[in-house]
Amino acid sequence: EIVLTQSPGTLSLSPGERATLSCRASQSVTSDFLAWYQQKPGQAPRLLIYATSSRADAIPARFSGSGSGTDFTLTISRLEPEDFALYYCQHSKTFGGGTKVEIE
Amino acid sequence: EVQLLESGGGLVQPGGSLRLSCAASGFTFSAYPMMWVRQAPGKGLEWVSSITDRTYTTDYADSVKGRFTVSRDNSKSTLYLQMNSLRADDTAVYYCAKADGYGWAADFWGLGTLVTVSS
Repeated sequence: EIVLTQSPGTLSLSPGERATLSCRASQSVTSDFLAWYQQKPGQAPRLLIYATSSRADAIPARFSGSGSGTDFTLTISRLEPEDFALYYCQHSKTFGGGTKVEIE
Repeated sequence: EVQLLESGGGLVQPGGSLRLSCAASGFTFSAYPMMWVRQAPGKGLEWVSSITDRTYTTDYADSVKGRFTVSRDNSKSTLYLQMNSLRADDTAVYYCAKADGYGWAADFWGLGTLVTVSS
């Protein structure tokens, strides 16, 4: 069973800064099945990235994904106020524990 | 516009049963795998169950295997989750989600329905 470990647990940054979120798999996984989601309080998750690096519909270009094997990254190039939220990675039917991006 | 609307949540005693429904619209329901994902209060996302589009192949998290049953009625564009022998740790918001058909990325989600298991 694959385990996805996200780090850091919390990322404290200011608007305009770059955010780098990590998702590490317990064994090598298929890049085609690696996705990232954003979730805000009281809302359902929203798909940001699928197949490691493809942006979902209407997702701004400041969001990008990369990685392979066991190490994957979600990068937000310049944080906007609406980007402060929880982020989850997913491989197939497994979710990571999440990273909270909060305002410093 | 894709819409997923869950219903059937509520308060149930330990050992009880509930049946969740998810009414889908705005896409060809029969052409996509579907899934249930839950989120316990203050916790992360947990995949619960999935069902494929044509072969109706089902899969379950170990935590619900043998207690929950997923099904779909393509003629009604509706997904179901029959939950039996409910436990306190099943308390969560249950989301219905559409798989993108490429992997298991969930490209559309419902608003969720709260299931509370308590005496």
